[in-house]
Amino acid sequence: GAVVSQHPSRVICKSGTSVKIECRSLDFQATTMFWYRQFPKQSLMLMATSNEGSKATYEQGVEKDKFLINHASLTLSTLTVTSAHPEDSSFYICSAMGPGPSREQFFGPGTRLTVL
Amino acid sequence: GNSVTQMEGPVTLSEEAFLTINCTYTATGYPSLFWYVQYPGEGLQLLLKATKADDKGSNKGFEATYRKETTSFHLEKGSVQVSDSAVYFCALPEGGSEKLVFGKGTKLTVNP
Repeated sequence: GAVVSQHPSRVICKSGTSVKIECRSLDFQATTMFWYRQFPKQSLMLMATSNEGSKATYEQGVEKDKFLINHASLTLSTLTVTSAHPEDSSFYICSAMGPGPSREQFFGPGTRLTVL
Repeated sequence: GNSVTQMEGPVTLSEEAFLTINCTYTATGYPSLFWYVQYPGEGLQLLLKATKADDKGSNKGFEATYRKETTSFHLEKGSVQVSDSAVYFCALPEGGSEKLVFGKGTKLTVNP
């Protein structure tokens, strides 16, 4: 099946620094990827839709200058949390839209971000 | 827009017990319906799906039937195992979009 990886799986950083999270589709090309945020014991909140070669589309209430998304190739999307603060600590999950007519989303394993 | 309402739990069962997690939906038309599972510390995995009314999705002993009459997609398993302990999410596409709308998740704990 289609595999999506994320790197790093876990990151701890100091307040004010920036953190980049990578999302890769390993065995398929994905023109569309999604970035989600999940707070403890809560559901996934869609942050943005990432389209290869174009600007990401952000959901209402998500700061695009805070969460920079770059989808530079058909297998890689990155999320950069700029000037991270403790309230940005969360579990970030990406998904990639698979090939074919089913348009199924395949999810990465997630990245745990802790901002001190 | 499309939405799902999912039984919130948590649910605690003994091994080999019967499991039902309720999910009802509101949607325009008949979109595909999904159940995802999230094991501790991991991302989501598609557990099963149904693409049209009356379809039954099944995987790893889990089943769910797309019922348009009751707008439901309840997840069932006849005999749960400790390894089934996880959070289960019901989901469907947002109307006219490829985005997914998720339920709040139901945490299942299975005790030996």
